[in-house]
Amino acid sequence: ETGVTQSPTHLIKTRGQQVTLRCSSQSGHNTVSWYQQALGQGPQFIFQYYREEENGRGNFPPRFSGLQFPNYSSELNVNALELDDSALYLCASRRGSTNYGYTFGSGTRLTVV
Amino acid sequence: GENVEQHPSTLSVQEGDSAVIKCTYSDSASNYFPWYKQELGKGPQLIIDIRSNVGEKKDQRIAVTLNKTAKHFSLHITETQPEDSAVYFCAASGDTGGFKTIFGAGTRLFVKA
Repeated sequence: ETGVTQSPTHLIKTRGQQVTLRCSSQSGHNTVSWYQQALGQGPQFIFQYYREEENGRGNFPPRFSGLQFPNYSSELNVNALELDDSALYLCASRRGSTNYGYTFGSGTRLTVV
Repeated sequence: GENVEQHPSTLSVQEGDSAVIKCTYSDSASNYFPWYKQELGKGPQLIIDIRSNVGEKKDQRIAVTLNKTAKHFSLHITETQPEDSAVYFCAASGDTGGFKTIFGAGTRLFVKA
């Protein structure tokens, strides 16, 4: 089975711009979560989608938004980029609505200059 | 809000020795506790997990213990090997908010050959 794939792997944006990050979930997984991981820190929960509906959100402003598509791939959109948005963005997927561990992608490294 | 504290932040052991990483959680509704290993340039990988109805779980050289009363859980790695060197994250989640998972800040483990 394929794992979680994210694109692009690296990205450099200018402050104030908008960015879209993409994720393809592991086969059979219909739940996807996005995390932000600053250098030397643990992943911080941004939001989660289950069957195309957002069903959980962390302490991130509305300029962080997402989508999940019928094939369970997903996007993370960030508007009005700030320097502090520079981080590794991780996508993670799992099957169903029960509580168990994620399969993570390798992440997108976003640098805002 | 929910919080997971992890100690130590850095741990250095000699090959063959044991390593112990400890975490505490704040949300008494948490009932699922996964541990992840993150190697350089990769996303976190689930290595073991424990649920609140179990006090201990073992898988070859790794084991986890859970003390619900004290809200503590720990990871034990025996007979450490150089390939165990990585960053380890504990995490906690419950049945609300889409089972969102809160991560600790991580422990960087060095195993010296």
